[in-house]
Amino acid sequence: ETGVTQTPRHLVMGMTNKKSLKCEQHLGHNAMYWYKQSAKKPLELMFVYSLEERVENNSVPSRFSPECPNSSHLFLHLHTLQPEDSALYLCASSQDNEGFIDNEQFFGPGTRLTVL
Amino acid sequence: AQSVTQPDIHITVSEGASLELRCNYSYGATPYLFWYVQSPGQGLQLLLKYFSGDTLVQGIKGFEAEFKRSQSSFNLRKPSVHWSDAAEYFCAVDRLLDTGRRALTFGSGTRLQVQP
Repeated sequence: ETGVTQTPRHLVMGMTNKKSLKCEQHLGHNAMYWYKQSAKKPLELMFVYSLEERVENNSVPSRFSPECPNSSHLFLHLHTLQPEDSALYLCASSQDNEGFIDNEQFFGPGTRLTVL
Repeated sequence: AQSVTQPDIHITVSEGASLELRCNYSYGATPYLFWYVQSPGQGLQLLLKYFSGDTLVQGIKGFEAEFKRSQSSFNLRKPSVHWSDAAEYFCAVDRLLDTGRRALTFGSGTRLQVQP
């Protein structure tokens, strides 16, 4: 595998289900991101992890719970979601060198989530 | 606060014609700017980026962008569009988070359609 991979690519879940999205980066980066992409809205940054520490949580509802066990893996745990949470969830990674400005992010293909 | 505006939601051009996608940003300091492309069902791929130096930046797939500080713009151009360029294009500006880390703010995107 190369780049950033995400599984599953498609997920349909009911509002009472619990599921997890997985992201893995094979680029040796130390920062990872979750974005939400809804129709007709800009990409929304949800969470940022740098060196496995959560450094940004953009007022995301608690029904979304991120986990970053190491610098290569990032999870998004989902529970009791709402239909408006249906969207494409994108994972990205970058190299966070404090003081060096290059925030080029590499994106995975996304997970298309549908909440019934 | 940093923001990015892409005034054109949807653009249609004929194959072989030239293309210009507009991007305006709002940022207090020297911006670090990016253009990404997203094909249907895919994640985002970096086309080019601007940090400093020459204001005309060359990217992949024959794209270029010009940074104009006086106009707060970073427009994307291509002299001759190919059918495979049909996709959604996102402009982004790098920003500093309260935590001292960095993230990207994206525009709402421009969908490009290419007519034969």
